[in-house]
Amino acid sequence: KNEVEQSPQNLTAQEGEFITINCSYSVGISALHWLQQHPGGGIVSLFMLSSGKKKHGRLIATINIQEKHSSLHITASHPRDSAVYICAVYFGKLVFGQGTRLTINP
Amino acid sequence: EAGVAQSPRYKIIEKRQSVAFWCNPISGHATLYWYQQILGQGPKLLIQFQNNGVVDDSQLPKDRFSAERLKGVDSTLKIQPAKLEDSAVYLCASSLGDLSSDTQYFGPGTRLTVL
Repeated sequence: KNEVEQSPQNLTAQEGEFITINCSYSVGISALHWLQQHPGGGIVSLFMLSSGKKKHGRLIATINIQEKHSSLHITASHPRDSAVYICAVYFGKLVFGQGTRLTINP
Repeated sequence: EAGVAQSPRYKIIEKRQSVAFWCNPISGHATLYWYQQILGQGPKLLIQFQNNGVVDDSQLPKDRFSAERLKGVDSTLKIQPAKLEDSAVYLCASSLGDLSSDTQYFGPGTRLTVL
């Protein structure tokens, strides 16, 4: 049983669309991370959340601790946002979801 | 500031051969992680070092995998002998500390193919 589940696994959208990626987890955590992985393997940390909401540019991340759920939103999506987005939860160590492959078509 | 360096970037070996990967973390980062990422999956922690001590190696297949962190800086991960299922990207990451709020900085990874 995966402790971290992401949905959808794959998402294709048109440029400009509002994107939502979901992450659910099954255990109590102290923090949740959203990361971005581009083709070629490089992983970049986007957000670290322990409560509430954070915003950086066109990216917004929210977390609901009671419901054990987090969402990553991208407003006005662009082809350069195409990547794999990974949710990871921290309970003593980082446990990663399987990732959501996002493709934004021009 | 230099990022996390890894080498080699790609490696192809035959099963039962040995292979070693090298990682140089960001200067001053006390914590170093090795992850295995199989195609289509998220990274899985293999081993975590705090300085030169092992914090967590619960998911490291110790019959064939070994890792060390020399003088609390560089690290090597070795597989001996390799199996087909070891084909994956091996990611090294480092962070200042080991708190949940510490950002992990990832290297470019080493893509291993076992034939």
